[in-house]
Amino acid sequence: GAVVSQHPSWVICKSGTSVKIECRSLDFQATTMFWYRQFPKQSLMLMATSNEGSKATYEQGVEKDKFLINHASLTLSTLTVTSAHPEDSSFYICSARNDREVLVHETQYFGPGTRLLVL
Amino acid sequence: SQQGEEDPQALSIQEGENATMNCSYKTSINNLQWYRQNSGRGLVHLILIRSNEREKHSGRLRVTLDTSKKSSSLLITASRAADTASYFCATDGGSYIPTFGRGTSLIVHP
Repeated sequence: GAVVSQHPSWVICKSGTSVKIECRSLDFQATTMFWYRQFPKQSLMLMATSNEGSKATYEQGVEKDKFLINHASLTLSTLTVTSAHPEDSSFYICSARNDREVLVHETQYFGPGTRLLVL
Repeated sequence: SQQGEEDPQALSIQEGENATMNCSYKTSINNLQWYRQNSGRGLVHLILIRSNEREKHSGRLRVTLDTSKKSSSLLITASRAADTASYFCATDGGSYIPTFGRGTSLIVHP
């Protein structure tokens, strides 16, 4: 099956620093990538949808200047948490999908997640 | 915004029993998907059912979809301790952008 990786798997940083999380599709072209965040024992909340080569579409309430998303290639999307604060501590998960497949509603494939702790 | 809502929030059963989880949603969909998440890990895709399908099977999993009631169910038969996880339904709200419910936490006691 399709594989999506995330790096790093966990990160601890000081308040005020920026953290970059990478999401890579290893064996397929990811025309669309999704970024989610998940608080303990809660659901995945969609943060933004990114299409290769274009600006990300952010969900209501998600600050685009704080959560910078770059989807520069068909295999890589990055999420940068700028000036991170303790309330940004969460589990960030990306997923990827190839909308060029015949069935556009083909499933998405999830990365293993990145746990961020901001001190 | 969340679309699907799973029920129950938590389910505790003995190994060998069946586990049934339900998902209700609000708007029309193209498809509904079920995922599994082990604690602190990423999501594993279990099954996708399209809006024109009523039932699907995959191994010990059986998924039903009732678009008139805007609901779906996931049945795990002959459960095993290794099935212990959180289970989420995701609906696309007709836009092919999946959004998740709160999940059902399943504990299977050996």
